Amino acid sequence: DAGVIQSPRHEVTEMGQEVTLRCKPISGHDYLFWYRQTMMRGLELLIYFNNNVPIDDSGMPEDRFSAKMPNASFSTLKIQPSEPRDSAVYFCASSLGVTSKAFFGQGTRLTVV
Amino acid sequence: EDKVVQSPLSLVVHEGDTVTLNCSYEVTNFRSLLWYKQEKKAPTFLFMLTSSGIEKKSGRLSSILDKKELFSILNITATQTGDSAVYLCAVSISNFGNEKLTFGTGTRLTIIP
Repeated sequence: DAGVIQSPRHEVTEMGQEVTLRCKPISGHDYLFWYRQTMMRGLELLIYFNNNVPIDDSGMPEDRFSAKMPNASFSTLKIQPSEPRDSAVYFCASSLGVTSKAFFGQGTRLTVV
Repeated sequence: EDKVVQSPLSLVVHEGDTVTLNCSYEVTNFRSLLWYKQEKKAPTFLFMLTSSGIEKKSGRLSSILDKKELFSILNITATQTGDSAVYLCAVSISNFGNEKLTFGTGTRLTIIP
């Protein structure tokens, strides 16, 4: 298996633009997580899905952030409109049951200028 | 609010030294504690601990959990430059029939040759 695949790897955008981050989880995994990592706050859970259903989105910072999982092999995290404080590395991870180890993608480094 | 605290925040030692990294937590509905290693990109799984007092070992790395005192330690013996990384502690918490991971901010370990 290729592991969790995220795209793009890097994204530079102007403030106010819409940004869409993509994730393909490991086949067969039933949990998918979106995290944001910054120097100041470390790894923060934004939202997670179980069997494509959003379970907890309490970590989503604002209404500008939205996430979808239309099927078991694809998820998106959208920021609209983007702001400079959204600059961070966004990780997607998947697992088979949360108590098992979560596998992380390589991350998307987002810079909003 | 669920809290995972790691110490020290950073540590610099010489190759061959032994290090101990700490993780304490205050959470409701604890299920398990996980350690991850993050080099330049994605966190990679090291250990998952669910029971107190049982040491997990993998080569020069070992970890133990104390559920009474609410902490875990990660030991690395005979450190090598390849051990330089950020070590993340995460706690898996039951959440309305599902579970989620809450991460500490990490310990940045630097090994000097």
